[in-house]
Amino acid sequence: GESVGLHLPTLSVQEGDNSIINCAYSNSASDYFIWYKQESGKGPQFIIDIRSNMDKRQGQRVTVLLNKTVKHLSLQIAATQPGDSAVYFCADGYGNNRLAFGKGNQVVVIP
Amino acid sequence: DAGVIQSPRHEVTEMGQEVTLRCKPISGHNSLFWYRQTMMRGLELLIYFNNNVPIDDSGMPEDRFSAKMPNASFSTLKIQPSEPRDSAVYFCASSRQNNQPQHFGDGTRLSIL
Repeated sequence: GESVGLHLPTLSVQEGDNSIINCAYSNSASDYFIWYKQESGKGPQFIIDIRSNMDKRQGQRVTVLLNKTVKHLSLQIAATQPGDSAVYFCADGYGNNRLAFGKGNQVVVIP
Repeated sequence: DAGVIQSPRHEVTEMGQEVTLRCKPISGHNSLFWYRQTMMRGLELLIYFNNNVPIDDSGMPEDRFSAKMPNASFSTLKIQPSEPRDSAVYFCASSRQNNQPQHFGDGTRLSIL
């Protein structure tokens, strides 16, 4: 499958600030995009997803933005909290249930 | 609601031994996925099932790996014989249908000595 990449390996954020995690995907046929959070010793936890017919979707304290023109995906976390410290993965799918995961981006929240 | 349940959580065994990993998907989910996670390669899809039928096993490393799903509530991933390079965290995930979020278990940390 196609690979999905992340720009920054580590993001350090002051508690209370907003975080933005960016992701590029390569498969223009991808129609489903998803963000996961993984804490140490646990499995990836679903955060939010978005389909290709949308360019923005909001959840609780999180917003995902999709720019299909440049094949770019971002996750915004509002008012970052210590519990947000984790590795964040983006992934894209193209209709057959296969998700291609990026390498992950470590977010460190500074109290 | 119970999430995806995997067992064992940790497995340490000597090379050459048979290893069996187990997964119980979320009730009502009809797709099941096996992944492997390593520092070098990240999260890799090994195989997935729809309605208990294997759909894509192209990610299975070699013939030493096999997976079964005898019913909607149980799946196994078997490695025989195991090798040190099989050491990784193995995750099982399930989803309700195509392009619905996959929900992951907490994985099995496998160490082959």
